[in-house]
Amino acid sequence: AQKVTQAQTEISVVEKEDVTLDCVYETRDTTYYLFWYKQPPSGELVFLIRRNSFDEQNEISGRYSWNFQKSTSSFNFTITASQVVDSAVYFCALSEPPNAGGTSYGKLTFGQGTILTVHP
Amino acid sequence: KAGVTQTPRYLIKTRGQQVTLSCSPISGHRSVSWYQQTPGQGLQFLFEYFSETQRNKGNFPGRFSGRQFSNSRSEMNVSTLELGDSALYLCASSRDRTSRNTIYFGEGSWLTVV
Repeated sequence: AQKVTQAQTEISVVEKEDVTLDCVYETRDTTYYLFWYKQPPSGELVFLIRRNSFDEQNEISGRYSWNFQKSTSSFNFTITASQVVDSAVYFCALSEPPNAGGTSYGKLTFGQGTILTVHP
Repeated sequence: KAGVTQTPRYLIKTRGQQVTLSCSPISGHRSVSWYQQTPGQGLQFLFEYFSETQRNKGNFPGRFSGRQFSNSRSEMNVSTLELGDSALYLCASSRDRTSRNTIYFGEGSWLTVV
């Protein structure tokens, strides 16, 4: 069975601090996809990044960066110089492996989420 | 372009009633999935539709059902509502079922059962 663990339930930082959100996953599959989503109070899940299991290259997008380490089954997310607008709940998710007929994502298994609060 | 649209955004129902939630995917997207989000259980997969056929189903009782129309719009129905069905129901869409495509979520429908 697939499992995603976000051990940090809540994180509180002051603006301009760097913050790292941890994500550890479990799967027996060799092909899978990992995602990060941001959920503001409105409820919508905002897509941040998708990473496939064959690509261990780290990625940087503005103030956001992701560190994927297959050896430790981790896909951590760092926000540099945090801002108040970064306050939200962040979810890490793992897809099912491709089905027999294709390369579908199938269902996503989500972690419990990390509540990030950035204080001015 | 318009995102995933869910209606209604908020609703209150009485225990025992039924409810239908609607989801319009992004134009051109043919795959629609539904998720339930509660404080206790987090985000859980309900089902996925593609080309009007259910392709995948989560571990929910038969009271939860869905369908997809030829224009890719989807509805989910919950019959005989229970207090525990109070949740945020999120719809997601992607262009197709290949792994090249991003999965986008709507703002959700907040259901309260009293």
